Amino acid sequence: DQQVKQNSPSLSVQEGRISILNCDYTNSMFDYFLWYKKYPAEGPTFLISISSIKDKNEDGRFTVFLNKSAKHLSLHIVPSQPGDSAVYFCAASIIQGAQKLVFGQGTRLTINP
Amino acid sequence: DTEVTQTPKHLVMGMTNKKSLKCEQHMGHRAMYWYKQKAKKPPELMFVYSYEKLSINESVPSRFSPECPNSSLLNLHLHALQPEDSALYLCASSQSRVRMNTEAFFGQGTRLTVV
Repeated sequence: DQQVKQNSPSLSVQEGRISILNCDYTNSMFDYFLWYKKYPAEGPTFLISISSIKDKNEDGRFTVFLNKSAKHLSLHIVPSQPGDSAVYFCAASIIQGAQKLVFGQGTRLTINP
Repeated sequence: DTEVTQTPKHLVMGMTNKKSLKCEQHMGHRAMYWYKQKAKKPPELMFVYSYEKLSINESVPSRFSPECPNSSLLNLHLHALQPEDSALYLCASSQSRVRMNTEAFFGQGTRLTVV
């Protein structure tokens, strides 16, 4: 049972345009959400997070939107740059004795010059 | 400084070997994690230590044995592994606040190959 889903395995965007990555979750107990960027054979790099009491969080070129009623979140990258090409993982957090992160399958983002 | 350091970066071991993976952080984080990532799959949680005590074990086989000697160090002892255990092993750390979620920061991982 996959509790966090990223339904787009890949996304290709022109440099300078907006990249939108989507994530859906099923467990309403998740109350904190994170986005990570990952290059091959490296650990995930934290990008941005959002608490379930908010619907938007912005950090520079990155904005995360949360729609709790739809159990959906998205990451917007504006403007997209070639260095943004990587795999992006959505993660949902729950406290069960300690904090647990559950990851989505990832979306490979390619920024074309 | 958001650095989590893992050693070694690469490890090849036989099925009868005993080896250890090491993880270190100096951010004052009191929660430390081991994740396993297979190719083209998301990271999967294995263990969580909170304040040096094992808080979560995701039904991991006993051939993987975690240890948290102090608040900065986390080890994963490996013994009698199988080829299917070959994967990228990721260590992470985060603040450990009761009933509060925080960001987790990951190390670069150890690429383990079992032959």
